[in-house]
Amino acid sequence: KQEVTQIPAALSVPEGENLVLNCSFTDSAIYNLQWFRQDPGKGLTSLLLIQSSQREQTSGRLNASLDKSSGRSTLYIAASQPGDSATYLCAVPPKYGGGADGLTFGKGTHLIIQP
Amino acid sequence: SQTIHQWPATLVQPVGSPLSLECTVEGTSNPNLYWYRQAAGRGLQLLFYSVGIGQISSEVPQNLSASRPQDRQFILSSKKLLLSDSGFYLCAWTSGGGKRQETQYFGPGTRLLVL
Repeated sequence: KQEVTQIPAALSVPEGENLVLNCSFTDSAIYNLQWFRQDPGKGLTSLLLIQSSQREQTSGRLNASLDKSSGRSTLYIAASQPGDSATYLCAVPPKYGGGADGLTFGKGTHLIIQP
Repeated sequence: SQTIHQWPATLVQPVGSPLSLECTVEGTSNPNLYWYRQAAGRGLQLLFYSVGIGQISSEVPQNLSASRPQDRQFILSSKKLLLSDSGFYLCAWTSGGGKRQETQYFGPGTRLLVL
C-alpha cells in the first residue's frame, strides 16, 4: 500500500527566504505526483502536477522536482511572501487501476511566512 | 471554465441523525468524481469515487454511502451519524475516460460537526 510522508510537518521562516518542502512515497511506480495548497478552512488548490516522465515542473516562484527511483519529490518556493502561508500537500495516484482511482495524500507541511 | 460546488458549507448534526451532502460540477461532461474526508490530525482520506452515473466504488468500510444520480452530481449520505463522522468533506473531479490520473480539482468543502 502506497504511503506518502511529508517533512517537515510545520515550518516558519521570515519573508523573502527560499525554502524547500519534502515529500516521499514508498512505491516508486507512480503515474504522476501533485502538489496542492490548502488555506485554513478551504478546499485544495492544485499547484503543480509532474508526470512520471518529467523531472521538474515550474509555475512562477514554485518549482517541483521528482525523483522516482528514490521515491522523493521537493517543492521549492523562491522569495517567499506572507501570502504563501498555507498547508502544502503532495499526493500520488495508485499504481494500478483504470485511471479513476483517488489520490493518496501526505499529511502536509504547515508553512508560515513571517512578515 | 469548470466549477465545483458543495453544500452546505457548514453543518452541525446530532449523533444518530441522517446526513446528505451534495456536490455538483459545471462546465464538463462525464467527470470522475471523488469524496474525501479530512479529520483533525489526520490526512485526507479517500471515501468514494465514481466514473459514471450509478457507478460507485468504496475505499473504506464505514457508516457512509455515496450516490451519483446525475452525470455531474455526487451525493454523500448517512442514515445515522456517529461522532467519528465529524470532519471536513471535500468533493473533487477529474476528466473522465482517461487511463492516467490527471489533475484533481477540489470543491470548497463542507465542515461537519457531529455532537
